[in-house]
Amino acid sequence: DADVTQTPRNRITKTGKRIMLECSQTKGHDRMYWYRQDPGLGLRLIYYSFDVKDINKGEISDGYSVSRQAQAKFSLSLESAIPNQTALYFCATSGPGTTDTQYFGPGTRLTVL
Amino acid sequence: AQSVTQLGSHVSVSEGALVLLRCNYSSSVPPYLFWYVQYPNQGLQLLLKYTSAATLVKGINGFEAEFKKSETSFHLTKPSAHMSDAAEYFCAVFTGRRALTFGSGTRLQVQP
Repeated sequence: DADVTQTPRNRITKTGKRIMLECSQTKGHDRMYWYRQDPGLGLRLIYYSFDVKDINKGEISDGYSVSRQAQAKFSLSLESAIPNQTALYFCATSGPGTTDTQYFGPGTRLTVL
Repeated sequence: AQSVTQLGSHVSVSEGALVLLRCNYSSSVPPYLFWYVQYPNQGLQLLLKYTSAATLVKGINGFEAEFKKSETSFHLTKPSAHMSDAAEYFCAVFTGRRALTFGSGTRLQVQP
């Protein structure tokens, strides 16, 4: 089984709809992250969480919110989706060390019409 | 602020040829640097990382990278490309308490 799972894998939604992307990990790590990937821009950090009570905004958090329901679960919500949020979204987890490897999920492809 | 720049959004090589993917960093403190690879329809996975222990870092699948402070570079190389190396490669730097900052990526094509 995969260490990091994301649901759904693909989602098409309409402008203005609320949508939640879910992430679960079995690595037992405290740190979890949400990134979005756009062609030519690499990955950009949306939110990160160092434990259940420690949630921080990344460089592009506007329009997004997160919930850390448990050590293993970290959800990303788009309260009112807009077309420029169409992207590939990745969840990741890592250990506590500065150079600890980040383990990525397979991604969720989100299309906002 | 720490950042990385990847030179060349697309690189094409022939099978068996040298692979060279370029990454330059900007950092006011000694950086921690990473290379990740993304195969089609998959998430990213770590190729190698520089943590100041050694300037030449060896990774998986025959890849290696050399940290050159004088050139502020961390280029990724592989002596002989294989068809299975076709993927997108991302250089990244660890920015303190926050998570990784990624470059814009380089897509590697391997021609038969």
